[in-house]
Amino acid sequence: GIQVEQSPPDLILQEGANSTLRCNFSDSVNNLQWFHQNPWGQLINLFYIPSGTKQNGRLSATTVATERYSLLYISSSQTTDSGVYFCAVGSAGGTSYGKLTFGQGTILTVHP
Amino acid sequence: KAGVTQTPRYLIKTRGQQVTLSCSPISGHRSVSWYQQTPGQGLQFLFEYFSETQRNKGNFPGRFSGRQFSNSRSEMNVSTLELGDSALYLCASSRGTSGGAEYFGPGTRLTVL
Repeated sequence: GIQVEQSPPDLILQEGANSTLRCNFSDSVNNLQWFHQNPWGQLINLFYIPSGTKQNGRLSATTVATERYSLLYISSSQTTDSGVYFCAVGSAGGTSYGKLTFGQGTILTVHP
Repeated sequence: KAGVTQTPRYLIKTRGQQVTLSCSPISGHRSVSWYQQTPGQGLQFLFEYFSETQRNKGNFPGRFSGRQFSNSRSEMNVSTLELGDSALYLCASSRGTSGGAEYFGPGTRLTVL
């Protein structure tokens, strides 16, 4: 099956710093999403971005499908950005309904 | 609109028992998918239902099963519980057309003793 690798595994920042999280995937995808999991376990959908660039406030994401990677940018980080960031992909095959393959996540800690 | 709800939120069972978890999607969403999250294996896909039909299934043993009702609510059942089934079980709700997961519920944390 498709493999998803995220880097770095851990990231520690001071409030106000910027960061870039990376997601590499091993095969063609028809879906790529970024999620944030807060300390209580709630997964929040940040971006649906199988290709191109999107921005939402201090967050932006870029996916280069031809090179099989995606980047999540966090600018002016805040303590509330702490948590785990997951990249998840849906393969381009016909039986991929509803199935997302998740990376292992990047644990982000933002200190005040 | 109301979010995705999962019940119960916490559950403690003993080995050999069975358990049923429930997920109510966002109104109008017809797809419900289920995931298991453990520290060792991360987030793994269990199955996905759309309009009462299972469209996809992950690599889990037959002890894990699910169903979806006509109102789109879904249940998953785990029979003959094992210690390794201890996990956070998450369900996701979506319209079912994009192949993704739009909204996740808060999860059910299952502990098997």
